[in-house]
Amino acid sequence: QVQLIQSGAEVKRPGASVKVSCKASGYTFTNSDITWVRQASGQGFEWMGWMDPDNGDTRYAEKFQGRVTMTRDTSKSTASMELHSLTYEDTAVYFCARRSRFRGNSDYYYGIDVWGQGTMVTVSS
Amino acid sequence: DIQMTQSPSSLSASVGDIVTMTCQASQSVRDYLSWYQQKPGEAPKLLIYGASILHSGVSSRFSGSGSGTHFTLTINNLRPEDFASYYCQQSYTTLWTFGQGTKVEIK
Repeated sequence: QVQLIQSGAEVKRPGASVKVSCKASGYTFTNSDITWVRQASGQGFEWMGWMDPDNGDTRYAEKFQGRVTMTRDTSKSTASMELHSLTYEDTAVYFCARRSRFRGNSDYYYGIDVWGQGTMVTVSS
Repeated sequence: DIQMTQSPSSLSASVGDIVTMTCQASQSVRDYLSWYQQKPGEAPKLLIYGASILHSGVSSRFSGSGSGTHFTLTINNLRPEDFASYYCQQSYTTLWTFGQGTKVEIK
C-alpha cells in the first residue's frame, strides 16, 4: 500500500542541524510532490515547504528560508529535510507527506493525502 | 503569507449532535481550501479538498462549504470516532498555511 516511512527520533543540541528522511513506497515517487509540516506539542501545524521529486524544485515557507534544505534520492525513493541552526523552538514532530492533485468539477485542487508517521526532534542542551 | 484563523479553538458536543466550525482566511483563497482530521498520536487525514469535495472514503456525515475568505466544516450525527482536532489549510498560494485547529471534545 502507499506509505511514507520516516526516520527515527532525534535529540540535538542548540545550533546543530538535523536531517529527517522519508521513504516512499506503493506509488511512483517522482509523480507527486513531498511536503514537510511540523507540529509542536499541543499546537497546530506549521507548513515548512515542498519539493518536486522529479526535478528537485523546492519552495520554502518564508520563516524557514535559509535554514531548511529539502532534497531527494530518486534511486531510493527517499526525500529528506535538513534543518540548520536549531533552537529550542524547533522541538516538534516533523511530518513528511504527499501532495496530490485532485480533479474537481471545474478545476484541480491540491491536498495532502498520505502522511508519514512523524519524527520527533528534540532540541536540548 | 495568508493567515488562516479557525474558531472556536475547542468545542464540547455529544454523540448525535451536529457540529459546525469555521475557518477564515486573511485574503481570498477562492475554493482552494482543505480540511484535515487528527486524532491524538496519529498523523492527520484528509477529509475535504476544494472547500466542499469529500475525499475518497470519508464519511458523508462530513461536509464543507464556503469560498473566498469564509469556510465551514460541518459534522452531522457526531460519532465517538469523530472526537478529534480539525484543521483547515489553504493551497491557493504556492506557500501553504494551516489554521490552528478546532478540538472537538466529548460533552
